[in-house]
Amino acid sequence: KQEVTQIPAALSVPEGENLVLNCSFTDSAIYNLQWFRQDPGKGLTSLLLIQSSQREQTSGRLNASLDKSSGRSTLYIAASQPGDSATYLCAVFRGGADGLTFGKGTHLIIQP
Amino acid sequence: ETGVTQTPRHLVMGMTNKKSLKCEQHLGHNAMYWYKQSAKKPLELMFVYSLEERVENNSVPSRFSPECPNSSHLFLHLHTLQPEDSALYLCASSQDRGHGYTFGSGTRLTVV
Repeated sequence: KQEVTQIPAALSVPEGENLVLNCSFTDSAIYNLQWFRQDPGKGLTSLLLIQSSQREQTSGRLNASLDKSSGRSTLYIAASQPGDSATYLCAVFRGGADGLTFGKGTHLIIQP
Repeated sequence: ETGVTQTPRHLVMGMTNKKSLKCEQHLGHNAMYWYKQSAKKPLELMFVYSLEERVENNSVPSRFSPECPNSSHLFLHLHTLQPEDSALYLCASSQDRGHGYTFGSGTRLTVV
C-alpha cells in the first residue's frame, strides 16, 4: 500500500526566507506527483504536477523536484511571503483505478 | 469559485438522520471523487467515478452511499452516521485519472 510522508509537519519562518518542504513515498511506481495548497476551511488548489519522467517543474517562486527512484520530492519556495501561509499537501498517483494518495501536509506560517 | 461547487458548506446531523451532500462541476471532466479529510490524517479517497461508472472502494462503510446521475453531478448519501464520521468531505473532478484535479471547497460535517 502506498504511503506518503511529509516533513516537517509544521514550519514557521520569517518573511523573505527560502524554504524547502519534503515529501517521500514508499512505492516508486508512480504515474505523477502533485503539490497542492490548502487554505483554512477551503478546498485544495493545485500548484505543480510532475510526471514520473520529469525531474522538476517551476511556477513563479515555486519549484518542485522529483527523484522517483528514491521516492522523494521537494517543494522549494523562494522569497517567502505572508500570503504563502497555508497547508501544503503532496499527493502521488499510481494510475489505473486509484485516485490520489496524500500525505498529511506541512502547515506553513510565514511571519510578517 | 473553483469550478467545483459543493453544497451545503456546513452540515450538522444526528446519528439517526439521513442527509445528502451534493457536488457539481461544469468543467467537462470525466472523473469525479469523494475524499474525506479528518484532523491529523491524510485525505482519504472514498469513491471514484469515471465516465459515470463507480470504482469500488471496499473500505468505506455502507452508511456512505455515492450516486453519480450524470457526468456533472455527484452525491454522497449519508445515513446512521457515527460521531467519528465528522470531517471535511471534499469533492474533486479531473479530466482523466491523473491530471488536472479541481477540488471543491468542501462540506464540513458534524455528527452529534
